[in-house]
Amino acid sequence: GAGVSQTPSNKVTEKGKYVELRCDPISGHTALYWYRQSLGQGPEFLIYFQGTGAADDSGLPNDRFFAVRPEGSVSTLKIQRTERGDSAVYLCASSLFTSDYNEQFFGPGTRLTVL
Amino acid sequence: KQEVTQIPAALSVPEGENLVLNCSFTDSAIYNLQWFRQDPGKGLTSLLLIQSSQREQTSGRLNASLDKSSGRSTLYIAASQPGDSATYLCAVRGGSEKLVFGKGTKLTVNP
Repeated sequence: GAGVSQTPSNKVTEKGKYVELRCDPISGHTALYWYRQSLGQGPEFLIYFQGTGAADDSGLPNDRFFAVRPEGSVSTLKIQRTERGDSAVYLCASSLFTSDYNEQFFGPGTRLTVL
Repeated sequence: KQEVTQIPAALSVPEGENLVLNCSFTDSAIYNLQWFRQDPGKGLTSLLLIQSSQREQTSGRLNASLDKSSGRSTLYIAASQPGDSATYLCAVRGGSEKLVFGKGTKLTVNP
C-alpha cells in the first residue's frame, strides 16, 4: 500500500516569505507527527495530531510555525516570515493509533531552503 | 529531559563483517525504542521496534536488543553488505507520543 507522502519534495524560498508543506499519511492512520531534521542531526519533534486536534505542539519553535489537520487526514505545516535558520528537512510520520506499540512510519521529507 | 546518544558517529567496515551499533538514553522510563535507516537525501525507514517489555527483536540479518534499566540498545547487523551503507538512527518514545532521536551512526560497508 501507499506510504506517507509529502509535497513538495524541495522548496526554495526567500527570507520573509510564507510557505506551506503538505503531508498525506498512510490511509487509516489516526496519529500524525511533524519533525524537523537539520544537517548532521537526528529529527526533532515539532507537533503531533490525534485525529483533527493537535495533542502536543510543544516542539514548535515559535509562533511563526503552525500546523493544521482539518479533516483528520492530510496535514499542512505553515511557516510565516521564514528565516534562514528554518532551512532543514521537514519530515512527517503517521501511526495507526497511539499505544505502547505505536510504530511510526515516515515520509520522504520536504527539504526547505530559505535564501 | 530525554537524551539519546549513538556511538560511533561513523563506522567503515569491509563487506561480510558482523557489526554492532550502540544507542544509549538517559531516562529509562520508555514505552518503546525504534531503529531506523536513512539513505542520503531520503526519509526514514523503520527497521525494528522493541517494546519496553521486550529484550530483543529480529528481522533477517538485523537483531536489536534493549536493556531498559541500563538505558542501552544495540543493533547487530550480520554479514554486512554494501547495500547496508546508510545512516542508522535510534529513537525512544517516553511518556508522550513523540520520538527522541540520536544523531545517528553513518555506516559504510566497503566491497
